[in-house]
Amino acid sequence: EAGVAQSPRYKIIEKRQSVAFWCNPISGHATLYWYQQILGQGPKLLIQFQNNGVVDDSQLPKDRFSAERLKGVDSTLKIQPAKLEDSAVYLCASSSISNVETQYFGPGTRLLVL
Amino acid sequence: GDSVTQMEGPVTLSEEAFLTINCTYTATGYPSLFWYVQYPGEGLQLLLKATKADDKGSNKGFEATYRKETTSFHLEKGSVQVSDSAVYFCALGLYNQGGKLIFGQGTELSVKP
Repeated sequence: EAGVAQSPRYKIIEKRQSVAFWCNPISGHATLYWYQQILGQGPKLLIQFQNNGVVDDSQLPKDRFSAERLKGVDSTLKIQPAKLEDSAVYLCASSSISNVETQYFGPGTRLLVL
Repeated sequence: GDSVTQMEGPVTLSEEAFLTINCTYTATGYPSLFWYVQYPGEGLQLLLKATKADDKGSNKGFEATYRKETTSFHLEKGSVQVSDSAVYFCALGLYNQGGKLIFGQGTELSVKP
C-alpha cells in the first residue's frame, strides 16, 4: 500500500512570494490533515478535511494560507504572501473514517523563506 | 485547553541503557494517546498508542501505559540501540474533534555505541 505522498520535498522562496504544496493521501482515506512543524517544536494542525469538506481550520492563518481538496482526494496548501516565520516543515497526514485517530504522515515539505 | 508536555531533550544514552521519556497531558474528555517517532530525514511514524486508561501500547521493545490518575503516558525501553536515535513525540488524539492530534514539543534521543 502506497503511503502519503507530498511534493515538493524542499522549497526556498523569498518573503512575499507565493508557494504551493501538494499532498496525495493513502487510497481510501477520507480524512486529510495539514500540519506545520516549526524547527524544535511538535507539529501543529493547520486544517483538517473530511472528503472535500473542512472539519477544522481554526489554526489556519486565513489572511495568507489557503487549502483545498476539491475532489476529496489530493489536496493543495498555498501560502501567499509568505513571511519569514512561515519557514517550517509542512506535513500532510491521512486517516480512515473507521480509525480516524491513527494518522499516517507523509515525508513533509521543508520550506525556507528568505 | 488540551495540551501535551514532554521532558526536554536532548537525551543522550549509551547503547543498552534504559530509556524513559516523560509525557504528561491535559485534556477534557477521554483522549487516545500516542507516541510518534521521527528518524533523521524522514516523516513521522506511529510507534505505539493506547486508547483508554490502563491500556499499554507496545512496539519494537518500546512501551507506554495510559495513566489517567497521573495524566501521563511515559515512553520506556529496556535496552536502547544506536538505531533508536530519533526525535520522539507524544500526542493526544481527540476523537470528538475529528481525530485531531495535539503534539508535545518532541524529545531528541541520541544513543552512543
